[in-house]
Amino acid sequence: GQQLNQSPQSMFIQEGEDVSMNCTSSSIFNTWLWYKQDPGEGPVLLIALYKAGELTSNGRLTAQFGITRKDSFLNISASIPSDVGIYFCAGLISNTGKLIFGQGTTLQVKP
Amino acid sequence: GAVVSQHPSRVICKSGTSVKIECRSLDFQATTMFWYRQFPKQSLMLMATSNEGSKATYEQGVEKDKFLINHASLTLSTLTVTSAHPEDSSFYICSARADGNQPQHFGDGTRLSIL
Repeated sequence: GQQLNQSPQSMFIQEGEDVSMNCTSSSIFNTWLWYKQDPGEGPVLLIALYKAGELTSNGRLTAQFGITRKDSFLNISASIPSDVGIYFCAGLISNTGKLIFGQGTTLQVKP
Repeated sequence: GAVVSQHPSRVICKSGTSVKIECRSLDFQATTMFWYRQFPKQSLMLMATSNEGSKATYEQGVEKDKFLINHASLTLSTLTVTSAHPEDSSFYICSARADGNQPQHFGDGTRLSIL
């Protein structure tokens, strides 16, 4: 079945550093999404990407939809302690609306 | 916008009890709602897809008689875990989307603990 490979699995960085994580797939997706999940809560949508090659920003977050439609990356600039959490990429299966999730990247930020 | 409310946030109950979890879209009409289960340190696992007014579609390996889903209106879906046992303890999360390629928006999850 379809799978998304997300890396790295975890990151421990110093406050102020930039962070990059990525997701690859063996299948093409027409929509890529990035979510953040805090402990004990549901995922919150960060960025949605709808067009191959698209680069979209949301504050300190920037995400790109790969030109092949099989990959995406998320960058966080100048990290702060509240960036701590688990970041998930997800590919949307258009005809069903289902999401295929990556395994998640756990981010820890040291003040 | 796109707020999804899930209730209750936490349930602790005895084995054999049935537990109902509600998922509401507060500021939009949800054509489709989804129910997920998440184990510690793992990703979200889709259990079923629920379309308003029709029967839910369950993923392979998910017992439809164990996890009853009702999507009676465009703003409400419920998941009932029937005769819950300790192995059903988990974090259950719902999501909702309006239509087309709109992204899913998630509730805050329900922590279910069966003693």
